[in-house]
Parts: sequence; C-alpha cells; structure tokens
Amino acid sequence: GQNIDQPTEMTATEGAIVQINCTYQTSGFNGLFWYQQHAGEAPTFLSYNVLDGLEEKGRFSSFLSRSKGYSYLLLKELQMKDSASYLCAVRDLGNTPLVFGKGTRLSVIA
Amino acid sequence: DTEVTQTPKHLVMGMTNKKSLKCEQHMGHRAMYWYKQKAKKPPELMFVYSYEKLSINESVPSRFSPECPNSSLLNLHLHALQPEDSALYLCASSQGQGRTEAFFGQGTRLTVV
Repeated sequence: GQNIDQPTEMTATEGAIVQINCTYQTSGFNGLFWYQQHAGEAPTFLSYNVLDGLEEKGRFSSFLSRSKGYSYLLLKELQMKDSASYLCAVRDLGNTPLVFGKGTRLSVIA
Repeated sequence: DTEVTQTPKHLVMGMTNKKSLKCEQHMGHRAMYWYKQKAKKPPELMFVYSYEKLSINESVPSRFSPECPNSSLLNLHLHALQPEDSALYLCASSQGQGRTEAFFGQGTRLTVV
C-alpha cells in the first residue's frame, strides 16, 4: 500500500521562505515529484527527486531523504502568484503511475 | 511542443447523454493517463494506457470507457453518468510509465445535471 502525507494548509508572507513537507510510505520507491496547481487549472511539474539530497531550480528547491521517507519543497522570495496547491506525488517501483498526496494549499499574504 | 491538449474545456451533460472527452499530445509520449479530480482533492487515477494498450483500470465504473486510437490520442467516452461524476477530468502523458514526470492537460470541467 501507499500513504503520502502533507499538511493541508499553510500561510506565508510575501517575500518570505516557506517549506512544505511530505512524508511517504510505499512498498517501493522510484521517484518523488512536486507539482503546483492553481485553482481550476491542471497541475504543473515543479521538481523530481530520486536520489537523496537537494535539487535547486530558481526560487524552488526540493529535498529528499529516502531512508526517512521524507521530502520537502522550499519556496524562496514568495510572490502572491505562488498561492496554489502543492502536490507531492510518489512513484512506486516498476511501471506504476504517480500517486498523489492530498496537497497543501499555500496562501501568500501581503 | 510540450503541451497536452484537452477538449472540450467545459461540458454540461444530462444523465442520459453520451459524450466524449478528447486528449492529444505530440511529444512522442507512450504512456497516457486519465485522472479525475474533485474540488480541493488530489487527482485520482482512473486509467493508464501504455503503448496504446490499457494497462491499468482503477476499478472505474463501466459508464466511463477509455479509448486510445493511436499513440497521440486518448478519449474518454461517457454514458449514463451520475451527478456525483461531476469533476475536473485531467489527461496526462509521460515518456513511459517509468521514472519521468507526467505532463497534464488543462482538464475538462464536467457537470452532470
């Protein structure tokens, strides 16, 4: 079975840094993905981790620890447009499709 | 071209209607997916096609019928739906079912009346 857990909601201030955590329990592991989804729109790919460590892409970074079943998405220099849901998704071993966590709704306030 | 195109964007249908959702990608991706998403919930996998063959059906009711006419197209045929089937239907594709990210279309907002 698979279990992916992330906070339901978070609020942060414009210009600040926010960290969104994700923990997972899967029978196998073949990568962890972060997606951003604005209300009423499709998810868009942000990052992919399959090895331990930090992946940086502009204002967004994602970290993975496979031994702890843990990842986080770090957003720096927050902008109002970053208000969205952030979905953590895991791929089990083999050719299985992504399984999504429930998503974290981030509100960026002035 | 890194787009997954879905049509229509919005659809309102009665419970006795038959309609189809369409999805197209020209990235050479060999895996295509249908997801259903209710408000404030994550996407839920419905079907996976790999190399134009149905590889996963997540116990979806038969009133939803997928079809993959070729490697670029994916359809979802709808018949005798219920109001609780109203949701955002997302199509996605990836290079394979392996370790690559999925690209999503903009979705079809379906309302069943």
